[in-house]
Amino acid sequence: DSGVTQTPKHLITATGQRVTLRCSPRSGDLSVYWYQQSLDQGLQFLIQYYNGEERAKGNILERFSAQQFPDLHSELNLSSLELGDSALYFCASSVGGVLTGELFFGEGSRLTVL
Amino acid sequence: GESVGLHLPTLSVQEGDNSIINCAYSNSASDYFIWYKQESGKGPQFIIDIRSNMDKRQGQRVTVLLNKTVKHLSLQIAATQPGDSAVYFCAENKIQPNSGGGADGLTFGKGTHLIIQP
Repeated sequence: DSGVTQTPKHLITATGQRVTLRCSPRSGDLSVYWYQQSLDQGLQFLIQYYNGEERAKGNILERFSAQQFPDLHSELNLSSLELGDSALYFCASSVGGVLTGELFFGEGSRLTVL
Repeated sequence: GESVGLHLPTLSVQEGDNSIINCAYSNSASDYFIWYKQESGKGPQFIIDIRSNMDKRQGQRVTVLLNKTVKHLSLQIAATQPGDSAVYFCAENKIQPNSGGGADGLTFGKGTHLIIQP
């Protein structure tokens, strides 16, 4: 158990819909990262927050947004969903930035868009 | 395209043999590399890391080698066990576009599936 909690574990929705994925980082970790994992693209970095502020941005679509709340939990919002958004979405956390230590990953949220 | 990639998508080894998983990277500015293991149905799990000022680092049954000249990273697993069966990812830190200077997004390769033969 990494200490990172993600909900929901599974989500099935239709194209055009909007979903919110939630992540609770390990106790004491200030950084939260979101990754998308699909069969053909591997693990793609989406975005990172550090202590409530956006820190780094990767290949995140404009239809996607995220935030980190004062209690350090984070949410990833996916809107106008397309079939190609079906993937595993992982949240990871670390004490500081990635250069100061390893990332601890949650077990992921599997999104299926029909 | 991917700046971090793996030479082989699948590696099959006999139980008890040593496994070597390779990874090529293209960003010479990266200064931190990590190997992760992902078992079926789980999130990636940290195995070992290495900074660019080192060329070798050892852990328990694992060794990571870094060759900056040819931008190559490898993970060696000694005496491979059935529990080592997983997908292995190398990752590098990389300045992300539109990051405002932030460098904390890891870039992962696509992974090598290690299969253990009995």
